[in-house]
Amino acid sequence: KAGVTQTPRYLIKTRGQQVTLSCSPISGHRSVSWYQQTPGQGLQFLFEYFSETQRNKGNFPGRFSGRQFSNSRSEMNVSTLELGDSALYLCASSLGHTNTEAFFGQGTRLTVV
Amino acid sequence: GEDVEQSLFLSVREGDSSVINCTYTDSSSTYLYWYKQEPGAGLQLLTYIFSNMDMKQDQRLTVLLNKKDKHLSLRIADTQTGDSAIYFCAEYSGGGADGLTFGKGTHLIIQP
Repeated sequence: KAGVTQTPRYLIKTRGQQVTLSCSPISGHRSVSWYQQTPGQGLQFLFEYFSETQRNKGNFPGRFSGRQFSNSRSEMNVSTLELGDSALYLCASSLGHTNTEAFFGQGTRLTVV
Repeated sequence: GEDVEQSLFLSVREGDSSVINCTYTDSSSTYLYWYKQEPGAGLQLLTYIFSNMDMKQDQRLTVLLNKKDKHLSLRIADTQTGDSAIYFCAEYSGGGADGLTFGKGTHLIIQP
């Protein structure tokens, strides 16, 4: 069974640009959560989607947004990129919205220059 | 808000047991997890435990939970060089909680 797939693996963007990251969850999983990992702040929750609805949102500015499609694939978008947005963005897939077993993808490494 | 604390580093000799400790503050934590992250990789779910359990064993891994002290530990028996990684403790409160709350991670260093 395929795992969680995140694309692209690496991205370099310029300040002020926007970026879209993609996550395909494990087949049959309906919940997708996004996390930002930085050396300073560690792993921080961005948001969770379940059945195309955003269920929870972490403490991030409105520049960070996401959506989920009917096939459970999810995208997150960051607009007006700042240098501090450089991070590893991880997506987690779980069967339901209770996160009992959340499986993570390899992440997308975003570098903002 | 919720907080999860871990030591930053642990050094053990190959073949010995490693014990990684974690404390958390949220008394409503329902699930507690251990994840492993190798360099350049995502997070690998090692194991998790429900808050109504005291212990869970899975091959070389043993998780102990002291709910009264809000203390979680992960024991890795017969530590190998392939166990070298960062280990994250995480908790989840369920319901409308804001995802998993992670500790900063413990770097496990294996000495030959």
